[in-house]
Amino acid sequence: DAGITQSPRYKITETGRQVTLMCHQTWSHSYMFWYRQDLGHGLRLIYYSAAADITDKGEVPDGYVVSRSKTENFPLTLESATRSQTSVYFCASSESGSYGYTFGSGTRLTVV
Amino acid sequence: DQQVKQNSPSLSVQEGRISILNCDYTNSMFDYFLWYKKYPAEGPTFLISISSIKDKNEDGRFTVFLNKSAKHLSLHIVPSQPGDSAVYFCAASAGTQGAQKLVFGQGTRLTINP
Repeated sequence: DAGITQSPRYKITETGRQVTLMCHQTWSHSYMFWYRQDLGHGLRLIYYSAAADITDKGEVPDGYVVSRSKTENFPLTLESATRSQTSVYFCASSESGSYGYTFGSGTRLTVV
Repeated sequence: DQQVKQNSPSLSVQEGRISILNCDYTNSMFDYFLWYKKYPAEGPTFLISISSIKDKNEDGRFTVFLNKSAKHLSLHIVPSQPGDSAVYFCAASAGTQGAQKLVFGQGTRLTINP
């Protein structure tokens, strides 16, 4: 099915563990983004990618790593999870030249 | 430093009346503005947008107004319906900085009462 999918939907992990959140889109959109949603902060950009093998930091990149070896995939890795990284994570994609993002359904991550 | 601010965390409106959601921004480089709507357990969905060369854009029951001198935009929903109950995010982009990065506000939870 066409669209943007995130996995897992829910994840509980322990402090210090590495965890990877997956994002896959079927439109071949050039741009992909990772945001986190926290109460009082709205959506904050973690990392974004303009194309395969091109990534850049957003507003809150510390503690996160991304890669984009294929256009359709944009995984987000927490190298050593901390409780402050408990959040809802949204992946989004957009075509080049378009401001309209399409968001995935989100991953709720809890770090205990 | 919050470049896009939605100062009302919540808003309650009676069904059939007008809902007005407000958003302020500080970065004068922003030239494109969007509103997204979010239901629980779902990702945000695009609602309506406006370019800085306009001061109003209308789409059915939804109208966005932009006041560049005041660095303020608002979303009007008329008439409000129960299905409009959601969290609304204002977003802005500085096109000249490329990458189409959107900066979002904190969100306003709109509740439409029957």
